[in-house]
Amino acid sequence: AQSVTQLDSQVPVFEEAPVELRCNYSSSVSVYLFWYVQYPNQGLQLLLKYLSGSTLVKGINGFEAEFNKSQTSFHLRKPSVHISDTAEYFCAVSDSNYGGSQGNLIFGKGTKLSVKP
Amino acid sequence: DTGVSQDPRHKITKRGQNVTFRCDPISEHNRLYWYRQTLGQGPEFLTYFQNEAQLEKSRLLSDRFSAERPKGSFSTLEIQRTEQGDSAMYLCASSLVRQGRWYTQYFGPGTRLTVL
Repeated sequence: AQSVTQLDSQVPVFEEAPVELRCNYSSSVSVYLFWYVQYPNQGLQLLLKYLSGSTLVKGINGFEAEFNKSQTSFHLRKPSVHISDTAEYFCAVSDSNYGGSQGNLIFGKGTKLSVKP
Repeated sequence: DTGVSQDPRHKITKRGQNVTFRCDPISEHNRLYWYRQTLGQGPEFLTYFQNEAQLEKSRLLSDRFSAERPKGSFSTLEIQRTEQGDSAMYLCASSLVRQGRWYTQYFGPGTRLTVL
């Protein structure tokens, strides 16, 4: 079975400061990894994804994440945050083995990023 | 690309009533998922369809829940005899699966259900 742990439920940060949102996963099979963002009362928007290839993945809005297989981590980073980045961020994992999985996403509990002026 | 749409966006109902939600996926997407998100939690998988076939149901999907995708396009999720514990955001997502490859899931805005 797969699981995702987001270590911080809330992360307050000042505008223009760097931020890192942590995500660790456990899985007995190879995985695809995703970060989604959710603004209040809205659905989920894909920020970035790791399917294969380069372990450093760049996404929208200046975010990037690094896949670390040995540490089973996929931390999300942004060098300088804006007020508009205030939202909840979800890390998710999906089994990459098409033959053995439905492809449904397993989500972490989310991290609320609060950017203060 | 009009994205995934869901209707209604909000539903308030009394305990014991039946409710039905609709999801319209991105038009060329052959896979459709339903998730439930309760307060303070991440979304949890409920069920998914490949075209019109329902291929997997989570243990979270009790007998009071039923989902359909009759023509492989839009889908409905019905909850019978609602309970207060059913209060949640119900999210729909769609993706394209082709030749054994996964593609990104795109989510709709969700239907927020409140059971009084």
